[in-house]
Amino acid sequence: NAGVTQTPKFRVLKTGQSMTLLCAQDMNHEYMYWYRQDPGMGLRLIHYSVGEGTTAKGEVPDGYNVSRLKKQNFLLGLESAAPSQTSVYFCASSSWDRIHYGYTFGSGTRLTVV
Amino acid sequence: AQKITQTQPGMFVQEKEAVTLDCTYDTSDQSYGLFWYKQPSSGEMIFLIYQGSYDEQNATEGRYSLNFQKARKSANLVISASQLGDSAMYFCAMRPGSARQLTFGSGTQLTVLP
Repeated sequence: NAGVTQTPKFRVLKTGQSMTLLCAQDMNHEYMYWYRQDPGMGLRLIHYSVGEGTTAKGEVPDGYNVSRLKKQNFLLGLESAAPSQTSVYFCASSSWDRIHYGYTFGSGTRLTVV
Repeated sequence: AQKITQTQPGMFVQEKEAVTLDCTYDTSDQSYGLFWYKQPSSGEMIFLIYQGSYDEQNATEGRYSLNFQKARKSANLVISASQLGDSAMYFCAMRPGSARQLTFGSGTQLTVLP
């Protein structure tokens, strides 16, 4: 099925460890995003990309890095995980010509940093 | 900076009744888009409805309608004839101007009572 696939779905990290979250979409969407969801705070934008090879900071970029080497993939990296990064992470994508439809979201990654 | 405010952390509604979920926004852009998403307990994000700032009529999608009051900067979601399956978290979001990234509110947890 077409859509946005996030891996992994669950992960537990120790403080200081690093990891990469992978987001892949097969809809040829130009735009991709990484959000984090925390209770009572909704979804907050971490980083986003408007095309292959481009990235930009969102509202809460500190402690994260991203790369978009291929149009279909958007990677989110945590270099040194902290307990404050415990959250549910959502990847999303959108098309430039179908802005009325908002985003297509992945199913989320639940990350716990202990 | 754009801001979305959802003042109702939790709402209860009786099955088959209508319910209104409040959303106010703040932006200096003349052109913008407003979205509502549903997040069931399973965690996925489901797009419900879209309203453009220049749309003269309120958007409707089945049992969902968006009560758009531009002067008041409000974009309330109305769900008619509530069903048990409507129990979920609901997020209001805004896309300012020509940007593609969405800003989300903190969400409203709706519980439909039998």
